[in-house]
Amino acid sequence: DTGVSQNPRHKITKRGQNVTFRCDPISEHNRLYWYRQTLGQGPEFLTYFQNEAQLEKSRLLSDRFSAERPKGSFSTLEIQRTEQGDSAMYLCASSLTGTGEGYGYTFGSGTRLTVV
Amino acid sequence: AQRVTQPEKLLSVFKGAPVELKCNYSYSGSPELFWYVQYSRQRLQLLLRHISRESIKGFTADLNKGETSFHLKKPFAQEEDSAMYYCALSGATNKLIFGTGTLLAVQP
Repeated sequence: DTGVSQNPRHKITKRGQNVTFRCDPISEHNRLYWYRQTLGQGPEFLTYFQNEAQLEKSRLLSDRFSAERPKGSFSTLEIQRTEQGDSAMYLCASSLTGTGEGYGYTFGSGTRLTVV
Repeated sequence: AQRVTQPEKLLSVFKGAPVELKCNYSYSGSPELFWYVQYSRQRLQLLLRHISRESIKGFTADLNKGETSFHLKKPFAQEEDSAMYYCALSGATNKLIFGTGTLLAVQP
C-alpha cells in the first residue's frame, strides 16, 4: 500500500460539464475526508465518511456536489454542471478511528481541477 | 466560530536564523492543534501536534490557551525547512480547520 491515491492528477473541463474524481485510501483506514484548496487558502473541509456512511457535509458542498463511498473503500466526488469557481485542488485524506483527530490523517496528492 | 489565523503569508529568513511562524485560533472548547507542512511538489503531511509535545526536525510548538496561540518555532533555520506551513485545529466535529498558511523561505 503506497498511501492515499487520487485520480486523475489534473482535470481540465469546460464550464457546465460534469467531472468525477476518485480517491483510494489506505486500505485499513475506515475514515475518508475530502477537502478543497484554492489559491492562497488552506484546505477547506467538504465532507467525510466513516466506512460507507457520510457523516458530515460542509455548507461548501452545494447540491451540485455529491460524494460516495459505496463499499467503505474508495470514494468518488462528483461535481455536476461545473462552474469556474469550482477550479481548485481537491484533496482526499484517510485515517483510522481512535488515532486522534488529525493525528493519523494521510493526504493524497490531490486532483487539480481547472474549469474553462 | 472555529477559526485559525496565520497572519503572515510569507516569512523570509537567512539560514541559521531563528524562526517563528505565528498561529492564533478561535475555539470555545478544548481543541487539538497541529502543524502541517507541504514541501515543494510533495503532499501535505503532519509535522507535529500539541498533545505529543515532541520536537520534529528541530521544530517545537507550545499551546498557549491564554493567548489562544500555537506558534511554531525553530532556533536555527535550515534551507531544507523552506516549505508551506499550515496550522490546523480539530474540535469535536471530526474535521480539521486549516489556516491560510505561511510560506517559509530560508535564504542561504
